[in-house]
Amino acid sequence: QVQLVQSGAEVKKPGSSVKVSCKASGGTFRNFGFSWVRQAPGQGLEWMGRIVPFLGIADYAHKFQGRVTITADQSTTTAYMELRSLRYEDTAVYYCARGEITVTGSRGAYYQYGLDVWGQGTAVTVSS
Amino acid sequence: DIVMTQSPDSLAVSLGERATINCKSSQSVLYTSDNKNYLAWYQQRPGQPPKLLIYWASTRESGVPDRFSGSGSGTDFTLTISSLQAEDVAVYYCQQYYSTPYTFGQGTKLEIK
Repeated sequence: QVQLVQSGAEVKKPGSSVKVSCKASGGTFRNFGFSWVRQAPGQGLEWMGRIVPFLGIADYAHKFQGRVTITADQSTTTAYMELRSLRYEDTAVYYCARGEITVTGSRGAYYQYGLDVWGQGTAVTVSS
Repeated sequence: DIVMTQSPDSLAVSLGERATINCKSSQSVLYTSDNKNYLAWYQQRPGQPPKLLIYWASTRESGVPDRFSGSGSGTDFTLTISSLQAEDVAVYYCQQYYSTPYTFGQGTKLEIK
């Protein structure tokens, strides 16, 4: 049974950075992409970006471009999300989620079935 | 970016009754080469991560009860719960995964009347 296990809660000061990890266990890392989705208190879901480790590509939502970096280490089956220049409004629960990737010439790399496995979430609090 | 708009924002339904949630995308999420709509529905119970219910707009994820069904194509989609159970109290989100950024609807909160 595949599980995504995320690192623990963080408290950070404005202007600092946070790096959250997401370890995949119980299944293959290959053929999957990993998205990061955040949820501010009482708010909806916001897609931040994704990485496709076996292709070495990452995409980011425009809102976070330049401030977020998503990476993956295939040897440890772990994905990472680093968010820099933290602001109070970055206070949220951050989720990683997995989806199977298909690659075609016309569409590139895309999810076939949506995001089928989610991590438990990591609470990041930005506070002075 | 594709904008996803759900309606209503909240919904109260009696146990055993039907619940219907709508989702509209600002552009088509139907990929004509394979005739699939790249639209998913998720359920999020309080304090839990989201759970995938439906992908390709109408295909139930393994293990999801058959009272959940999805329909629609192009830009207009619907999630239907045929007979509401107490455990269905949650917030429901649609998401397009046709093109990045993979945007979500704002969510629909489902409660028991």
